[in-house]
Amino acid sequence: EVQLVQSGPEVKKPGESLTISCTASGFSFTKYWIGWVRQMPGKGLEWMGFIFPDDSDTRYSPSFQGQVTFSADKAISTAYLQWSSLTASDTAMYYCSRVLTGTSRGLIDYWGQGTLVIVSS
Amino acid sequence: EIVLTQSPGTLSLSPGERATLSCRASQSLSSSNIAWHQQKPGQAPRLLIYGASSRATGIPDRFSGSGSGTDFTLTISRLEPEDSAVYYCQQYGSSRTFGQGTKVEIK
Repeated sequence: EVQLVQSGPEVKKPGESLTISCTASGFSFTKYWIGWVRQMPGKGLEWMGFIFPDDSDTRYSPSFQGQVTFSADKAISTAYLQWSSLTASDTAMYYCSRVLTGTSRGLIDYWGQGTLVIVSS
Repeated sequence: EIVLTQSPGTLSLSPGERATLSCRASQSLSSSNIAWHQQKPGQAPRLLIYGASSRATGIPDRFSGSGSGTDFTLTISRLEPEDSAVYYCQQYGSSRTFGQGTKVEIK
């Protein structure tokens, strides 16, 4: 069974750093992209970008380039989303996802349960 | 960037009725690289339809997708109470973008 299990909710202050995680199981972690999607409170889904864990090739959506960092540890099938300095506008639910390669390349077929990040002074 | 525009914003229907959701792309999508995802309140999204018309594993046959080029449709043939959710279209032909969502309310 394909599973993406994300780390728990976080409450941070502006200016703090943060790393959240997404641990995969039930499939070969190095054969798929892992994508990240933001959902701000009461809003829709926004594509942030993805990482290919086998070689850590990363692609960022222009809106998120320079704002976040993707990384992955293929030894433990875990992908990470990192901020170096949070702001209140980073308050959102963040979802990781499995993104297909090959046929249906780019399709999101599985989602993590989401990690809620709250940034407040 | 390909922009997806969904309509209507909200659909309020009774159980057993038919729901028709629209997704229009700002550019033609070759290979019909359109998916539909369902997000119930308090839950993560889940994939319903890919390739414009193929149902994902375990999705009931009352959900169907159609369309090509720039115009795509998700149809729920006979609404059930558990279909109350927000439905997002997503294109995966050129990078990835989502529509703004259509909320389906069951009366």
